[in-house]
Amino acid sequence: QSALTQPASVSGSPGQSITISCTGTSSDVGGYNYVSWCQQHPGKAPKLMIYEVSNRPSGVSNRFSGSKSGNTASLTISGLQPEDEADYYCSSYTSSNTYVFGTGTRVNVL
Amino acid sequence: QLQLQESGPGLVKPSETLSLTCTVSGGSISSSSYYWDWIRQPPGKGLEWIASIYYTGSTYYNPSLKSRVTISGDTSKNQFSLKLSSVTAADTAVYYCATRSVSYWGYWGQGTLVTVSS
Repeated sequence: QSALTQPASVSGSPGQSITISCTGTSSDVGGYNYVSWCQQHPGKAPKLMIYEVSNRPSGVSNRFSGSKSGNTASLTISGLQPEDEADYYCSSYTSSNTYVFGTGTRVNVL
Repeated sequence: QLQLQESGPGLVKPSETLSLTCTVSGGSISSSSYYWDWIRQPPGKGLEWIASIYYTGSTYYNPSLKSRVTISGDTSKNQFSLKLSSVTAADTAVYYCATRSVSYWGYWGQGTLVTVSS
């Protein structure tokens, strides 16, 4: 199974909004509403930010939102803050009853 | 609050078997609420799902690793384990155990670095 495709990096200034894309196929992202997003700071374990395309776990800021169109899912961070600087990974359930992660995106807060 | 902690050797020789254990507290691996997963991350690279086990004993594997991986559970110790055979330098990674609620990982261990080197 191939990793989902994400941009290597996305940058934005504090207060701006950015969007990270996650492109798969009809056998994963496009076929199921089982896309999640996690945030990872250097040296730390990943943290769940969005599940099932657009749901936010308790305690996650409402500045984080998710959506999906066709084979591409997206994570939007609005009102960008310095602490949002981290790596972000999407993941999806697949038709093979397995899970695949995205290639990862480094968010830089300028 | 679920807590997970990985343990095992930090150094494994090439061609040998990597063995890791995840100890779960604050919940039971016999619960039907979660799957129990292993995920790894090579230094400077992305995440890779390795395997899952459910309370029924059902197991699921990444096809690219399936021939070398075994995941198992020990309900008496509330632990689950990973074995990866015939390791090479490409298996050097931080290995995480995590709980999965159908499609997302809500709780993660802190991760343990395993280096494959002679």
